[in-house]
Amino acid sequence: AQTVTQSQPEMSVQEAETVTLSCTYDTSESDYYLFWYKQPPSRQMILVIRQEAYKQQNATENRFSVNFQKAAKSFSLKISDSQLGDAAMYFCAYRRGYGGSQGNLIFGKGTKLSVKP
Amino acid sequence: DGGITQSPKYLFRKEGQNVTLSCEQNLNHDAMYWYRQDPGQGLRLIYYSQIVNDFQKGDIAEGYSVSREKKESFPLTVTSAQKNPTAFYLCASSIAWSDYEKLFFGSGTQLSVL
Repeated sequence: AQTVTQSQPEMSVQEAETVTLSCTYDTSESDYYLFWYKQPPSRQMILVIRQEAYKQQNATENRFSVNFQKAAKSFSLKISDSQLGDAAMYFCAYRRGYGGSQGNLIFGKGTKLSVKP
Repeated sequence: DGGITQSPKYLFRKEGQNVTLSCEQNLNHDAMYWYRQDPGQGLRLIYYSQIVNDFQKGDIAEGYSVSREKKESFPLTVTSAQKNPTAFYLCASSIAWSDYEKLFFGSGTQLSVL
């Protein structure tokens, strides 16, 4: 069975600085997708970034980028120029590729990110 | 505006009682999902439906039931067989069979046991 591990329950960053959130996963499959979701205090889940396992290039979305190390099964999220609005729970998630329903995500336990002004 | 509406925002259940959580979407999405979130945990899949009149169990379906009679609606019933129902429940939807389409989430329902 696939598992997703986020080893940092809490992280803190100074406003305008850079922070990296860690995620490792375990799978025997070669085709899969990885995601980072943000859950602000409103508790609504928001997709931050997505990575297809077959792509070697790391995904980027504005201030958010990932470091995808397939062999090491590592998928970290880097937030540059941190803003107060980035404060939230961040969840790493895994989904099978071929034959996998979009919603069949396996989530890590999350990292609570605080941003200090 | 298109989106997913979950109601109620807060719900209380008495012992032995069944309660139903509502989820409605006007995004014309084929697929809908129910997740459960416990404190300090990620989301876990309860049930999902790829098309009207069809649904499959997720990882923690015991004590729950669903129906999908209309494309826009996917209600979740928490039955008395669910012994630990206190949790935050999130509904989501997506275009089915499209690897590049993201999930859209509702704002959730907090269920507590009296």
